[in-house]
Amino acid sequence: AQKVTQAQTEISVVEKEDVTLDCVYETRDTTYYLFWYKQPPSGELVFLIRRNSFDEQNEISGRYSWNFQKSTSSFNFTITASQVVDSAVYFCALSEAESNYQLIWGAGTKLIIKP
Amino acid sequence: KAGVTQTPRYLIKTRGQQVTLSCSPISGHRSVSWYQQTPGQGLQFLFEYFSETQRNKGNFPGRFSGRQFSNSRSEMNVSTLELGDSALYLCASSLSGGQYEQYFGPGTRLTVT
Repeated sequence: AQKVTQAQTEISVVEKEDVTLDCVYETRDTTYYLFWYKQPPSGELVFLIRRNSFDEQNEISGRYSWNFQKSTSSFNFTITASQVVDSAVYFCALSEAESNYQLIWGAGTKLIIKP
Repeated sequence: KAGVTQTPRYLIKTRGQQVTLSCSPISGHRSVSWYQQTPGQGLQFLFEYFSETQRNKGNFPGRFSGRQFSNSRSEMNVSTLELGDSALYLCASSLSGGQYEQYFGPGTRLTVT
């Protein structure tokens, strides 16, 4: 069965530090999608990135970067030079063809950036 | 393009009552999913509707139901409310399902007393 594990419940760093949020997934399917979402204190979930299982290229968007490694079933998210506005809960999610693309969510990692 | 809207934003109900929540997806999106978020259980999938048909269903009791209209707007209903139903209910829309990014509404905060 598919599963998403975000082992880090909470991470606290000082502004300008780099931080990596871990996401490990389990699936038997060969066609699947991985996502990251951000939930700031206001509560509204914001889509960050989507990756399909056939595209292992890493992605960089400004201070954000994602490392997708099928060999370790991981899809980690790194924030470079963190800012206070990055403080939020970050969720990793997986959807697979076998489950009709129903999203399975990790428990989330609460990221606190201290000024 | 307008985002996903949910009404009402806040709701207080009494045990045993029923409640209906509404969600208007982004124009052109045909899939609407509902989630329950609580501090203890995290994000839990309720159901997904696509073209007025329920396509996926999570592990929730039959008291939780939903529907989708021809304009893709969706409603979810919870009957015989229990204290444990207190949660943030989130609606998300996507082009056609979970293989695409979902865009979330602000949620409805339901408190059951």
